[in-house]
Amino acid sequence: SQQGEEDPQALSIQEGENATMNCSYKTSINNLQWYRQNSGRGLVHLILIRSNEREKHSGRLRVTLDTSKKSSSLLITASRAADTASYFCATGASSASKIIFGSGTRLSIRP
Amino acid sequence: DTGVSQNPRHKITKRGQNVTFRCDPISEHNRLYWYRQTLGQGPEFLTYFQNEAQLEKSRLLSDRFSAERPKGSFSTLEIQRTEQGDSAMYLCASSLGVKQGSDQPQHFGDGTRLSIL
Repeated sequence: SQQGEEDPQALSIQEGENATMNCSYKTSINNLQWYRQNSGRGLVHLILIRSNEREKHSGRLRVTLDTSKKSSSLLITASRAADTASYFCATGASSASKIIFGSGTRLSIRP
Repeated sequence: DTGVSQNPRHKITKRGQNVTFRCDPISEHNRLYWYRQTLGQGPEFLTYFQNEAQLEKSRLLSDRFSAERPKGSFSTLEIQRTEQGDSAMYLCASSLGVKQGSDQPQHFGDGTRLSIL
């Protein structure tokens, strides 16, 4: 079963625009992670935010976490063609060593 | 860092046959995870090892699936008597875990794509 649900399922934007993806989850978490997957490849870890953090930045990525709403967002600024990929959120509990992935957002960047 | 390596990249087999996949994690990583991913979905957790011990197995994993990590390094995932529903991408990931918890990034291989005829 998958805990996270990403929204939207698919997103198409013009190169240079910002892309925002949302993730909602159901149970209490210790951390939330975002991963990227290019077609036919494995997942690449992007950023991890802990339950006591509200916002985190890494390069062109900005992640927010609202534990009261059980939701997170990933913002990619100044998008590039190379950002075309699927993006997944994954949640982890403090009592477990595994993470549970959502169903992902497919992002397409138009040149 | 040579990354996580999975072999084979593709496997095509007839229904009812047994298949085995191999995963070589990043050498210093003590945790190893197996996932299954179908088209348009996120990875679904199958099982995980801490060193050579298999600590958790998904309830979704039938008795036809077995995984091993005999020396705490590489791992194998075997599927016996394959069915068409087993067609999927099988992903392996590794991480470095000091204590119980999920707050270490996982490093993924490029997966083995299984097609059942």
